[in-house]
Amino acid sequence: ETGVTQTPRHLVMGMTNKKSLKCEQHLGHNAMYWYKQSAKKPLELMFVYSLEERVENNSVPSRFSPECPNSSHLFLHLHTLQPEDSALYLCASSQRQGGYEQYFGPGTRLTVT
Amino acid sequence: AQSVTQLGSHVSVSEGALVLLRCNYSSSVPPYLFWYVQYPNQGLQLLLKYTSAATLVKGINGFEAEFKKSETSFHLTKPSAHMSDAAEYFCAVSEDTGNQFYFGTGTSLTVIP
Repeated sequence: ETGVTQTPRHLVMGMTNKKSLKCEQHLGHNAMYWYKQSAKKPLELMFVYSLEERVENNSVPSRFSPECPNSSHLFLHLHTLQPEDSALYLCASSQRQGGYEQYFGPGTRLTVT
Repeated sequence: AQSVTQLGSHVSVSEGALVLLRCNYSSSVPPYLFWYVQYPNQGLQLLLKYTSAATLVKGINGFEAEFKKSETSFHLTKPSAHMSDAAEYFCAVSEDTGNQFYFGTGTSLTVIP
């Protein structure tokens, strides 16, 4: 595997389910990001991790819970989501924070029913 | 805080015609500037990056962008559009320090045969 991978690619979940999104980067980077991309809205930065420490949380509801066990893996735990949470969730990584290009995974298309 | 403005949410060009996608940023210091492309159901792919080494930056797939400090612009161009260029294009700016990566709202490019 190369670059940034995300699993699953598609996920349908009910509002009472608990699920997790997984991201893995094979680039040796030290910073990882979660973004939300909704139709007709700008890309929204959700969380930033640098050297496995969360350094940014952009007022994201607590039903989204990130986890970064090491510099190569990033998870987004989901519980009691709302229909408006349906979106494409993108993971990205960069060498370090600030000024460095981010490399994106293919995304997880999430549908909340 | 930085901001990025992409003029024109939709741009249509004929195959073989010039592609021009506009991006303006707000910054009091020289930023890092990026263009990304997103094909349907995929993540964002880096096209090119400006880091103050040269004002004209060449990227992949025949795209290039010119940094104009006086106009705070970083427009993306390609001399001759190809059908495979049809996609969503995002301009982004990053500060030298900190974690923030600001994306524009995107421009959808349609190539007419």
